[in-house]
Amino acid sequence: EPEVTQTPSHQVTQMGQEVILRCVPISNHLYFYWYRQILGQKVEFLVSFYNNEISEKSEIFDDQFSVERPDGSNFTLKIRSTKLEDSAMYFCASLSGTAYGYTFGSGTRLTVV
Amino acid sequence: KQEVTQIPAALSVPEGENLVLNCSFTDSAIYNLQWFRQDPGKGLTSLLLIQSSQREQTSGRLNASLDKSSGRSTLYIAASQPGDSATYLCAVCVTLTSGTYKYIFGTGTRLKVLA
Repeated sequence: EPEVTQTPSHQVTQMGQEVILRCVPISNHLYFYWYRQILGQKVEFLVSFYNNEISEKSEIFDDQFSVERPDGSNFTLKIRSTKLEDSAMYFCASLSGTAYGYTFGSGTRLTVV
Repeated sequence: KQEVTQIPAALSVPEGENLVLNCSFTDSAIYNLQWFRQDPGKGLTSLLLIQSSQREQTSGRLNASLDKSSGRSTLYIAASQPGDSATYLCAVCVTLTSGTYKYIFGTGTRLKVLA
């Protein structure tokens, strides 16, 4: 069964550093997403991406964040100048259409120290 | 603004019980609703997807129903087992102003099934 692959599974970074979280969505999917889940809290929408551009972003997704789909397969989330409160599990998801629902990756646990 | 709530927040039951998890949403304009399972520290596993035109979906011991007009969905787990212990999340699919879609997640129900 096709999977969404996320790397790394766990990343530790120092406050103020930049991190790039990587995702390989399912190849024929059209819609791509990043969500985050702070420990013990709900899954929050960050950004959606369609047709090579952001289709919507939440208020969390400020200038510190950016997304790219550089080569038609990878989908990346960049966090510039990380803060302690960025520590969370970050999930990538892709969607072919409303008939099939989301497929999620297994997540990247980001720890900012 | 769509809001999704799940009750109860936590549930502890003895093995073998049938149980019902509830999900409510404030705006009935949804495309579909998806139930997920999340084990501690892990990712999200899709359990069931119900389209807005459907009333229910079944997979093994799981049955999910949808009443779009009242903004409710239930996940029914039959003959619960300790391996069912996890957090269960519902998410509704809504249209964005861009014409694309996103899922909005509920708060989750943390289930513990005691052996």
